[in-house]
Amino acid sequence: GAGVSQTPSNKVTEKGKYVELRCDPISGHTALYWYRQSLGQGPEFLIYFQGTGAADDSGLPNDRFFAVRPEGSVSTLKIQRTERGDSAVYLCASSLWGRIDTGELFFGEGSRLTVL
Amino acid sequence: GENVEQHPSTLSVQEGDSAVIKCTYSDSASNYFPWYKQELGKGPQLIIDIRSNVGEKKDQRIAVTLNKTAKHFSLHITETQPEDSAVYFCAASIGSGGSNYKLTFGKGTLLTVNP
Repeated sequence: GAGVSQTPSNKVTEKGKYVELRCDPISGHTALYWYRQSLGQGPEFLIYFQGTGAADDSGLPNDRFFAVRPEGSVSTLKIQRTERGDSAVYLCASSLWGRIDTGELFFGEGSRLTVL
Repeated sequence: GENVEQHPSTLSVQEGDSAVIKCTYSDSASNYFPWYKQELGKGPQLIIDIRSNVGEKKDQRIAVTLNKTAKHFSLHITETQPEDSAVYFCAASIGSGGSNYKLTFGKGTLLTVNP
C-alpha cells in the first residue's frame, strides 16, 4: 500500500485477555518501529526492528509485551494478560533504513486499544 | 535517558497570527530534532526537521530554530490558517549511523487557529 497500515483501528477487550495488533509497513522499508501513545502524551518508543530481528526492545514495558516480524515485512505486537493501564494508541512506523534523520519515517494511523 | 519538555500544552491564536512552540532537551548528544503534526485520529506526520549542525531551517510558513548551547529548539508558524489546527510534537534523537533510530517526544501542543 501507499502508507503504513495498522489493524485493527480499534480494539476493545477485557482485562486479562490476549490481543494482537498488526502493522503492514511501506513496501521495501527495512526498519519498523512500534510506539505507544497514551492520552494527552507524546508517543513513547517500544521496539525497533531492522529486517526480521528486534534490534532494540528496550521500550517494552514488561514481559507481557512481545513483537515479531518473521519475514521482515508485517509485524505483530502481542500483549498478554491485558491490564487497564495498557489502554493507549499503538503506533507503528517504518523507514527505508534505520536512519530516521533522513526524514523518511512514516507513521500509521494507530490501533486504539481499550482494556475494560 | 533523553527528556524532552514542550511548552505550551495549548495555544490558541487568531487566523493570520504567528504561533511559537518551544522545546528543551536534556541530552547534549541529541543531534536530530523533528517536528510532527498530528490530526485527530491520524498518526504523526513530519512537517520539518533540523540537525544539530544547523541553527535555523525554513519551509514556507514553517521555521525551526535550534540553540545547542541552551539545548532548546522552537517551531514557528507564520500566517496561521484554520487547517494548521492540530497537535504538534517536538522530538529528539540521539546517535549517528546505525544507532540513530529512536525518538523521544515531547507531550505535545494543541494548536487552535480561530477564523
